[in-house]
Amino acid sequence: AQSVAQPEDQVNVAEGNPLTVKCTYSVSGNPYLFWYVQYPNRGLQFLLKYITGDNLVKGSYGFEAEFNKSQTSFHLKKPSALVSDSALYFCAVRDGNAGNMLTFGGGTRLMVKP
Amino acid sequence: NAGVTQTPKFQVLKTGQSMTLQCAQDMNHEYMSWYRQDPGMGLRLIHYSVGAGITDQGEVPNGYNVSRSTTEDFPLRLLSAAPSQTSVYFCASSYTGAGRETQYFGPGTRLLVL
Repeated sequence: AQSVAQPEDQVNVAEGNPLTVKCTYSVSGNPYLFWYVQYPNRGLQFLLKYITGDNLVKGSYGFEAEFNKSQTSFHLKKPSALVSDSALYFCAVRDGNAGNMLTFGGGTRLMVKP
Repeated sequence: NAGVTQTPKFQVLKTGQSMTLQCAQDMNHEYMSWYRQDPGMGLRLIHYSVGAGITDQGEVPNGYNVSRSTTEDFPLRLLSAAPSQTSVYFCASSYTGAGRETQYFGPGTRLLVL
């Protein structure tokens, strides 16, 4: 079985400050990790993924995430937050040895205040 | 490419009614899936398909039926709607193979069951 935990329902940050959205995972095989963003009344948009290689992954809109195998974490980060980054963020994991089935975390709402 | 399309965008049903949520993709993706999104619970997999003629159950399949007669289409049927099926439904698709592929999501169908 695979699972994802996003421990924070909401993260508040001031515009221009760095942001971190936390994610931890559990999977029996090789972890394939993803971050998606959802804006109001929209579908999920892909931000970035970790499959293999460099532990620091860079994605869309200036976001990046760091894979930490020992802590089973994949936290999403951005050096300088924008008000337009305010949205719902989902972390997801897939077992790289077992097909395409994605398991999502409960989501974290990011609020960036001017 | 239109990507992943879903119809309708919004639907109101009475308890016991049946309906079909439509999903289509024009990217020639083998893998298609249906998720439901409920507050605080992230996205949960209902059914998925790895190709035409092949479907399988996800995490929460009860009360839903699917079929995959073509690569492009993956309709989700509610057999007898219940208030517990009030949710936002997302369809997603991706290539299969090495398991590294990113899933792409449709805009969602918001369903209210009275």
